[in-house]
Parts: sequence; structure tokens; C-alpha cells
Amino acid sequence: EDKVVQSPLSLVVHEGDTVTLNCSYEVTNFRSLLWYKQEKKAPTFLFMLTSSGIEKKSGRLSSILDKKELFSILNITATQTGDSAVYLCTPNTGNQFYFGTGTSLTVIP
Amino acid sequence: GAVVSQHPSRVICKSGTSVKIECRSLDFQATTMFWYRQFPKQSLMLMATSNEGSKATYEQGVEKDKFLINHASLTLSTLTVTSAHPEDSSFYICSARYGGNQPQHFGDGTRLSIL
Repeated sequence: EDKVVQSPLSLVVHEGDTVTLNCSYEVTNFRSLLWYKQEKKAPTFLFMLTSSGIEKKSGRLSSILDKKELFSILNITATQTGDSAVYLCTPNTGNQFYFGTGTSLTVIP
Repeated sequence: GAVVSQHPSRVICKSGTSVKIECRSLDFQATTMFWYRQFPKQSLMLMATSNEGSKATYEQGVEKDKFLINHASLTLSTLTVTSAHPEDSSFYICSARYGGNQPQHFGDGTRLSIL
């Protein structure tokens, strides 16, 4: 059965800390791995990863994929209170997106 | 770019009412649209996938006669919750994408409360 496991489930850090969020997946017909940030409304797109070992970066956020180990990480450096959200990873198989329960990040001032 | 508009954002209505939710891709043509349901503190649960001009594919356990999906054009999909009951109260989110290798982009969601 296809699945997505994210860890940790929740995380509380202080502003300025660096965090690493983990995502492991097990799906058939894998095409890409996507990261989303969900605050109070619907998820907003962060990254799409298709190749192993190539880091994608956007400001203080970066992400990388390991297709051999079926794993991805999302790093956030110098965290700010605005980074508080649930971070979701989802592998795309073309026809379906499987969502994990996400990692809930709380950044304390 | 890649803006998805979902309307309405909030619905409160009596049990037995049918509710229609619209999902529009504003600046791209959505070959595929997805409908999700999310309960508090839980992840997104895919309800159905719809491709323009064809019938929606429903996930196991989702009643297609209860949740009617229409994807009549490349920019519009609708979800109608027929004869809604309190247990249908939830956060419904649509997403859209262009092409199988593209990310999906989400609407802002509709919070449905059935009294």
C-alpha cells in the first residue's frame, strides 16, 4: 500500500533556530516529490523535486530528494514566527497525490 | 501565476440542503482537478480526481451520488454535496494542475458547517 510518513509530527523551536523536516515515501510510479506549507487555509506550493541530490532553494528554505532511499528533507534556516505552519510532503504518481499527516512547526519569538 | 480560486469560502446551512462549491483555475488550464476533505488536525484526504470532459474518479469510500463532481471546462470544476448532513461538515479543498508532471495548486478551501 502506498504511504507517506513525515517526522517529526510536531516541532516547537525558537526564532533563529534551524529545523529539518523529514519525509519518507513508498509509492508506485513515482514522478516527483512536492512540499507544501499549510497555514490556516489551503496548502501553498513550496518545492517540486524530481531528481536525486539536487537541492532546491528558496530564501531560507531548501529541500533535497533521495530517490534511492525514498526520502526527502526540508530545511528551514533562521526560522521566523511566520514559518509556523503544517508542512506537507506528497509524492506525485501522475494520477494521485498521497499526503502524509504533515509536520506541525511552531516558531516561538 | 498558478492561481486557483475556490468559492464560497464558508457555508453554514441546514441539514438536507445541497451545497455547491466552485473551483476555478484563473491563469492556467487545469487538465486535472482534485477534491479533498480535511478534518481538524488531520491531513488532506483525496475524495476524487476529475479530468476535463470525463467522469470523476472517486476514492474508495466516497459516495459519488453524495458528492457530485462536474469538470465541464479546463478552468472550472464544481463539487455538489447533495442533501448535506452534519457529518458532512468539514473543510473541502480543491486543487488544479496542468499536466501530469506539474505540481497541483490549491484553492483557499471551503469550510462547510451543516446544522
